[in-house]
This record gives sequence, C-alpha cells and structure tokens, in this order.
Amino acid sequence: QLVESGGGLVQPGGSLRLSCLDSGFTFSSFTFSSFWMSWVRQAPGKGLEWVANIKQDGSEKYYLDSVKGRFTISRDNAKNSLYLQMNSLRAEDTALYYCARGSSGWFDGYYDSWGQGILVTVSA
Amino acid sequence: EIVMTQSPVTLSVSPGDRATLSCRASQNVNSNLAWYQQKPGQAPRLLIYGASTRATGVPDRISGSGSGTEFTLTISSLQSEDFAFYYCQEYNNWPPWTFGQGTKVEIK
Repeated sequence: QLVESGGGLVQPGGSLRLSCLDSGFTFSSFTFSSFWMSWVRQAPGKGLEWVANIKQDGSEKYYLDSVKGRFTISRDNAKNSLYLQMNSLRAEDTALYYCARGSSGWFDGYYDSWGQGILVTVSA
Repeated sequence: EIVMTQSPVTLSVSPGDRATLSCRASQNVNSNLAWYQQKPGQAPRLLIYGASTRATGVPDRISGSGSGTEFTLTISSLQSEDFAFYYCQEYNNWPPWTFGQGTKVEIK
C-alpha cells in the first residue's frame, strides 16, 4: 500500500526529495490522514534507524538529531502522500529509506505497514 | 536517550527448536515495545506490539513477553520461514523512536 519514490545517486551536499504514496487499498475505515507517518532508514548491512515522523494533521514533526536542519518531513493528506526533503546530504545518509505507517492516536508508536524502501546513495 | 540492546547478535537454531531473543532497554519503557521480523531484500514486518500482542496474521508460535526494561521474543518451534533478522523498538520515551541493533536467527 505504501510506495516510495524519488531515490537515487546524489553528490555530497546535494538534495533529494523522497515521496511515499499510500494507495489506500484497505478494508479499514481508517485513511492515510488517520495515521502518524514516519521515515525509517537502513544503511547497507546495518539495522533500522528512525529518521523523522509527522502527526496526522502535520502539526507535530520530530527528527533524528543527525538530520535536524537538513531534512524536512511533510505530508499532503489530500494526495495520500508523505514527503522527505533531504538537503546537505552526507555519505552517512546513504541508506534504504522506508516509509512507515504509525499510530492513529495522539502519539506515535509502532509501525504496522511499510513500503518496499527506496535507495539513496550519497557519493562523489 | 534510550539505548535498546538486543542479544545475542546471532542465534543459531535447528528447525523445530525454540528460539529466545532478548531486548533490554536502558530506561523503563513500560510495555511500549514492538518486535519486527525482516528477511533479506524485504521490508520489516510487525510481529508484536505492546510487548505481547501479536499483530494480524502472526502465528501463535511467536510470542512476546516482558515489561519495564527486559523483553523476550520467543519462537516456540522454528520453521524455515522464521530464519531472519529480528528488531525490537521502543515507543515510550521519544524522540527518537529507537530500535535495537537486531538479532539474526540462522539455521544451525
């Protein structure tokens, strides 16, 4: 249901914008706008690392310290879409980036639906 | 910031045997703990939330327990499809939302 796009090879210092579309094919009455949404990344051969998340109405956003000031998370509920604008990219940002669906409540929690991931490679 | 420590790093188990995976939090996370399974080339899959509640479609041979700082994921009789990486994640003290470094369950 979650499909990421926008990844690729970029030089250090460059920018990239990731998108995640929720196709919305679900038997649940909940829709994209009902959930917190997150970006979680996985560097090659490494574990999972939460990057950023955004509340249902976009009123709250949180970021991993190492991406603060460089990455911006946003959403467009009318388009069932989540975005991650990544600026000033570094080699250590190289990873598979997953879009993940979080909580339908006041606070974010665990992730019950994940995209297939999109690869971002930062290299000269 | 919470640190989630999983052990062992690698667990070698024979099919049909029991596997016990541990996750320790550096601070109390109450029962706000999830477990995920990830196979090579695939996205993570939610197995357990609330420390012990199985997600939809998860077989009952997989169970979670614990609260506070000590958690366990148990697979009672390993099947071929259970050989994978497993990650714990806390969602009690945030930001950030922290994952453990993972445990690889491999065939002995």
